[in-house]
Amino acid sequence: DAGVTQSPTHLIKTRGQQVTLRCSPKSGHDTVSWYQQALGQGPQFIFQYYEEEERQRGNFPDRFSGHQFPNYSSELNVNALLLGDSALYLCASSLVLPLVDTQYFGPGTRLTVL
Amino acid sequence: KQEVTQIPAALSVPEGENLVLNCSFTDSAIYNLQWFRQDPGKGLTSLLLIQSSQREQTSGRLNASLDKSSGRSTLYIAASQPGDSATYLCALRGGSSNTGKLIFGQGTTLQVKP
Repeated sequence: DAGVTQSPTHLIKTRGQQVTLRCSPKSGHDTVSWYQQALGQGPQFIFQYYEEEERQRGNFPDRFSGHQFPNYSSELNVNALLLGDSALYLCASSLVLPLVDTQYFGPGTRLTVL
Repeated sequence: KQEVTQIPAALSVPEGENLVLNCSFTDSAIYNLQWFRQDPGKGLTSLLLIQSSQREQTSGRLNASLDKSSGRSTLYIAASQPGDSATYLCALRGGSSNTGKLIFGQGTTLQVKP
């Protein structure tokens, strides 16, 4: 049973460019959450998708957008990249219910903005 | 607003020592609290999940406790080994949110010296 997978592993972009990160959830999971982890910090919640809709959003600007597909996989898009967007981007999957369930994290995508 | 704090930020111990990592939170209305391990540049591995109604969970040499009234959780590692060297993160699922958003502490980086 494949766990959560993310692609690409690493990515280098320049300021002002746009980037798309991809996530496939653990088999059987219907909910995908995205987190940003800056160096030396804990992950920060970006948003969560369920049934192809954004259910909740953290304190991130509109430059950060996402999408969930019918097969539950998800994309994170970041426009007009800033140097401060350099971070490890983590995807987590879970079931929408029960809320007591654990979340499973992927290995992350390391984004470097030059 | 829920805030999660982990102290100390870094810890270095000799192999074989028992140790305790601390996590505190400001709002006791939570669904559950989870401890994760993160190796450098990698994703998160779930270690223990404590539900709101539980006081502790154990897995091998790890024991996690939860005291909602005082807003504290501890992760106890017995007989530490060099392979335990990693960053340990606590994260909680708030009771006021029904979407599963996790709020993380900044982590404690543990080094176990042979």
